[in-house]
Amino acid sequence: SQQGEEDPQALSIQEGENATMNCSYKTSINNLQWYRQNSGRGLVHLILIRSNEREKHSGRLRVTLDTSKKSSSLLITASRAADTASYFCATSPTSGTYKYIFGTGTRLKVLA
Amino acid sequence: SQTIHQWPATLVQPVGSPLSLECTVEGTSNPNLYWYRQAAGRGLQLLFYSVGIGQISSEVPQNLSASRPQDRQFILSSKKLLLSDSGFYLCASNGQQGSGNTIYFGEGSWLTVV
Repeated sequence: SQQGEEDPQALSIQEGENATMNCSYKTSINNLQWYRQNSGRGLVHLILIRSNEREKHSGRLRVTLDTSKKSSSLLITASRAADTASYFCATSPTSGTYKYIFGTGTRLKVLA
Repeated sequence: SQTIHQWPATLVQPVGSPLSLECTVEGTSNPNLYWYRQAAGRGLQLLFYSVGIGQISSEVPQNLSASRPQDRQFILSSKKLLLSDSGFYLCASNGQQGSGNTIYFGEGSWLTVV
């Protein structure tokens, strides 16, 4: 079963605003990754955070991880219309390292 | 980085017909390979994963099967399609050491069963 759950399911913001998405998971993990999917396309890797890390930055992206709460957040700062996409978190459970489980995704719409 | 080739991109198949989706990987050897299915507007469901030639793990009992005849080739099949098999199928790959590696995706195959 899927163990990642993103929140909110959908988010609509104005260009220039920040977008925050959350991911919750159920079991212990080795790492957590965030992916982006444009409509009808494959997923593209954005950023990976390991279980012993609490925060990571990449350009306009900021990811946090709280293993005690089994949750992560993805912040996109100064959003652009081109950021419109679905965003998924993926976890690599400690039991079953090869199985990457994806969440249900957050559909982000950035209005120009 | 890895490149995932997946085909066909789109297909419409009648109920009861067979299915074969193929995926090949470039840029790595002995990868872990995955098949995911995505219903419209939904998340990804892991169907099968493989850690080596001939090694297939099934995650969900279903009408589908997978095979890995070569190191960098992964095939999704069905003998008789059901309407519920419709969806967007994604092949994915990551490095031999599964933990901590980026997952690379193909562009997906849209399957409509009519």
